[in-house]
Amino acid sequence: DQQVKQNSPSLSVQEGRISILNCDYTNSMFDYFLWYKKYPAEGPTFLISISSIKDKNEDGRFTVFLNKSAKHLSLHIVPSQPGDSAVYFCAANSGGGADGLTFGKGTHLIIQP
Amino acid sequence: SAVISQKPSRDICQRGTSLTIQCQVDSQVTMMFWYRQQPGQSLTLIATANQGSEATYESGFVIDKFPISRPNLTFSTLTVSNMSPEDSSIYLCSVLSGAYNEQFFGPGTRLTVL
Repeated sequence: DQQVKQNSPSLSVQEGRISILNCDYTNSMFDYFLWYKKYPAEGPTFLISISSIKDKNEDGRFTVFLNKSAKHLSLHIVPSQPGDSAVYFCAANSGGGADGLTFGKGTHLIIQP
Repeated sequence: SAVISQKPSRDICQRGTSLTIQCQVDSQVTMMFWYRQQPGQSLTLIATANQGSEATYESGFVIDKFPISRPNLTFSTLTVSNMSPEDSSIYLCSVLSGAYNEQFFGPGTRLTVL
């Protein structure tokens, strides 16, 4: 039973436009959500996180939105740049962020020039 | 953010043997985690390793297969024992750090079992 789902295996976006990556979760105990970016042969790089007490968090070009009633979160990247091409993982945990993470399967974002 | 290194970066091993993976952090951290990423799959938590206590394993992972040591606040090892081809994965350690309990990951160890 997958508790964190990323239903789009890949997404292609034109450079300069907005990239929107989606994530759904089923476990109501999750209270902390994170997005990671991963290049081949490297470990995941932390991008941005959000606590369940918030519905939006912004850091530069990255914004994460959380809809608790729908158990849905999204990552917006604007404007998209060629260096953003990577696999993006959504992850969640409980305990205020102090537990191990449950990951989605990832979305491969491709930024077209 | 914490800087994490792992050794070895990759290895090719024969079935039935064991490999110990090291994880070193540049600062003291209380909580460390071990994950694996099987080919084409997502990351799966193996265990949580806190200094001074036994590691806590997730469902499907056992200490006999994946013994973990955590001798101090900057170092941990994961051993993959009696390996089979199904153990071919990327193994990653992470640490809990930062103001908001972010987890930071090492570069991973790519293991191939023949």
